[in-house]
Amino acid sequence: QVVQSGAEVKKPGASVKVSCKTSGDIFTKFGISWVRQAPGQGLEWMGWISTYNGDTNYAQSFQGRVSMTIDASTETAYMELTSLTSDDTAFYYCARDYTIIRGILGYWGQGTLVTVSS
Amino acid sequence: EIVLTQSPDTLSLSPGERVTLSCRASQSVFGYLAWYQQKPGQAPRLLIYDASNRATGIPARFSGRGSGTEYTLTISNLEPEDFAVYFCQHRSSWPITFGQGTRLEIK
Repeated sequence: QVVQSGAEVKKPGASVKVSCKTSGDIFTKFGISWVRQAPGQGLEWMGWISTYNGDTNYAQSFQGRVSMTIDASTETAYMELTSLTSDDTAFYYCARDYTIIRGILGYWGQGTLVTVSS
Repeated sequence: EIVLTQSPDTLSLSPGERVTLSCRASQSVFGYLAWYQQKPGQAPRLLIYDASNRATGIPARFSGRGSGTEYTLTISNLEPEDFAVYFCQHRSSWPITFGQGTRLEIK
């Protein structure tokens, strides 16, 4: 099971931090990707984090603005996005890897709507 | 980065029909291609991974095939709940990318 934090409303220039709590399996066994979806649009992969050692791989378009972290003690992953603009208004999903092989997004959170508005 | 192009953008079909969706990659993804289904207001759901493997709980009417740069998802005998948007996604190299999606609508 994957449960995300609730909706957020932010002003331009602010930051947002979304949490993603997993349960039901060994937390450090499966990596987590973050994917966003603007209203009515397609899916955009933001990056992946290893829950084993915290290694990350970010999409170029988010480099320098995104930070993905984990807290193994609470089996929670976090995604922080800074310098928000209206273009960042979207649903943000975390998705746990289906297997120990990275990149198969098997278990998705319910999504967190982030609205950026002045 | 690898670009995935899905076709068509939209399909209008009736329940009971068979449909094949396509996904073409800008370079080989070596079979590391997945398909997801997304219904309005819901998160995507994994259907097929590594081109042809059904995920747990996915009905047998969903099947995938392909290799190299060309992949297909076939849904035989469409059920009313199958009308949704379908995305392909590769994991062959960073960055992971998705296709733009194919909307399957009821005729």
